[in-house]
Amino acid sequence: GAVVSQHPSRVICKSGTSVKIECRSLDFQATTMFWYRQFPKQSLMLMATSNEGSKATYEQGVEKDKFLINHASLTLSTLTVTSAHPEDSSFYICSAPSSVGEETQYFGPGTRLLVL
Amino acid sequence: QKEVEQNSGPLSVPEGAIASLNCTYSDRGSQSFFWYRQYSGKSPELIMFIYSNGDKEDGRFTAQLNKASQYVSLLIRDSQPSDSATYLCAVIPGGATNKLIFGTGTLLAVQP
Repeated sequence: GAVVSQHPSRVICKSGTSVKIECRSLDFQATTMFWYRQFPKQSLMLMATSNEGSKATYEQGVEKDKFLINHASLTLSTLTVTSAHPEDSSFYICSAPSSVGEETQYFGPGTRLLVL
Repeated sequence: QKEVEQNSGPLSVPEGAIASLNCTYSDRGSQSFFWYRQYSGKSPELIMFIYSNGDKEDGRFTAQLNKASQYVSLLIRDSQPSDSATYLCAVIPGGATNKLIFGTGTLLAVQP
């Protein structure tokens, strides 16, 4: 299947700092990518849809000024958690469909964020 | 009512048995259904997708879809300890392009 990578895999930061997470499609182009968050023992919750060359679409309840998304190329989307707080500690996962119009999504390995 | 519901489990089955995982969804307009497997601390990996009513088989896995009853299930034959994981049901609601809505997952434990 299609390969999606994320970097970093794990990050620990102090409260108030900003953290950038990268999501790359390695062997295909992705005009759309998705960002999810998963708290322990809970399911994946869609945060936003990242659109190449245009603004991201955020789900209800997700602060767009706190979770900045940039999709500058067909293979890269970034999520920046600004002024991170301990409650932002979570497992952040991106996904992408393997081709335009394809509904099957492939997930990156995830980034575990711990805010102290 | 949650959009996608699963029994959280754990579902415990002996090695070699059939594991049956169930999922119901609320949006009758949903057209696309997916099963993902997630090992602890890892991201989900796609097992199967199904779009049409009936059964779809892939190796030891069979997905079953019944749109009239709004449920989708996953059968795992000859269960192995390596199948022990959380199984996530995901649905794309009607009118939503590629937007996956996940259930909370069912934890499967295959006993050697």
